[in-house]
Amino acid sequence: SAVISQKPSRDICQRGTSLTIQCQVDSQVTMMFWYRQQPGQSLTLIATANQGSEATYESGFVIDKFPISRPNLTFSTLTVSNMSPEDSSIYLCSASGTANEKLFFGSGTQLSVL
Amino acid sequence: QKEVEQNSGPLSVPEGAIASLNCTYSDRGSQSFFWYRQYSGKSPELIMFIYSNGDKEDGRFTAQLNKASQYVSLLIRDSQPSDSATYLCAVRGAGNMLTFGGGTRLMVKP
Repeated sequence: SAVISQKPSRDICQRGTSLTIQCQVDSQVTMMFWYRQQPGQSLTLIATANQGSEATYESGFVIDKFPISRPNLTFSTLTVSNMSPEDSSIYLCSASGTANEKLFFGSGTQLSVL
Repeated sequence: QKEVEQNSGPLSVPEGAIASLNCTYSDRGSQSFFWYRQYSGKSPELIMFIYSNGDKEDGRFTAQLNKASQYVSLLIRDSQPSDSATYLCAVRGAGNMLTFGGGTRLMVKP
């Protein structure tokens, strides 16, 4: 299984600012994803991070709000832009070796927006 | 809309009992099925996966899949207080994306 490091682990941010979350995998992986988990809720897929091209966003999520980079097969970032209290959530990076393989998660970023 | 449904619980079982967690899914084209355990404040941890109809056992855990009924379950034998967590069912459909259920909160009482 891949080891996925995510940072920061938590942050408290002011409304209107932006936060970039970093995700590092210890081996090359084909697929990387970003999920959001709001308090007491299950996981919602934000987007698929595509290496060398624009991310694929799910319904309800847009690039201007959640820009994603994936410069290589082991690293990705998610930025939460122009934050509001509604963005307070846990953000999770995940990865799998191929599209059909098991999905593993990073330790998550607990974001609180004041 | 592809859906994965779970009873939110809490499911309360005494220590040593069998905990039975259930999940139904709507996409008949689903190919693979996963159970994740999530402790409060932690990220999901993969504990079981199953691809074929029938049972798959790993230690105290057994995953059961019935594609005809679109039903997957997780049995935990000899439940321990340390098993108290939220269990997430996830289903991979034909598009290769994982869809997660809402999770079932399990409480194992000493």
